[in-house]
Amino acid sequence: EVQLVESGGGLVQPGGSLKLSCAASGFTFSGSAMHWVRQASGKGLEWVGRIRSKANSYATAYAASVKGRFTISRDDSKNTAYLQMNSLKTEDTAVYYCTKAVAGIYYWGQGTLVTVSS
Amino acid sequence: NFMLTQPHSVSESPGKTVTISCTGSSGSIASNYVQWYQQRPGSAPTTVIYEDNQRPSGVPDRFSGSIDSSSNSASLTISGLKTEDEADYYCQSYDSSYSAVFGGGTKLTVL
Repeated sequence: EVQLVESGGGLVQPGGSLKLSCAASGFTFSGSAMHWVRQASGKGLEWVGRIRSKANSYATAYAASVKGRFTISRDDSKNTAYLQMNSLKTEDTAVYYCTKAVAGIYYWGQGTLVTVSS
Repeated sequence: NFMLTQPHSVSESPGKTVTISCTGSSGSIASNYVQWYQQRPGSAPTTVIYEDNQRPSGVPDRFSGSIDSSSNSASLTISGLKTEDEADYYCQSYDSSYSAVFGGGTKLTVL
């Protein structure tokens, strides 16, 4: 069974940092890109960024709203991807999901809530 | 920047058919696969259509996807509507740099 499990969310002050993890199981983790997507309360899905596979040089890309502040990485040996979030702003408050295609089908984690507030 | 536009909301009666559109802003929507996600309140999204018109196992064949190059749009059609289909639906594709793009979402009400 394909599973993605996010962790690491919580309450952080503006300007602070947080690192999210996405642990995968049930499929070959190394084979495709991992995406991070967020959703503010009552709003739609917003793509945050992605990291491609080793075959694609682990290339990363980010939404303009987070570029320069967020960094995505992955450890294929641990079947885990990460989202390092720095210089957090109140508008980064959202549920953060990781999502990955397996044989074309996108699977999603349950999400982890990040709240940026003083 | 490539964008996908969906209607904010649609509504239809049980047993009827509804179609949700997803229009690309530029280029050809057929250049990259389109996915459709269903999201019920308080839950994570799930895939109902992938690669334009493929259905994951477990998704009823009442759900279908299509591409119309002439209108540069994708569509999700749900036939034989059930109250359990009431949810938010999002289309998703990619731009030329393999950055994911989501539509704004459509709230489906089955009344």
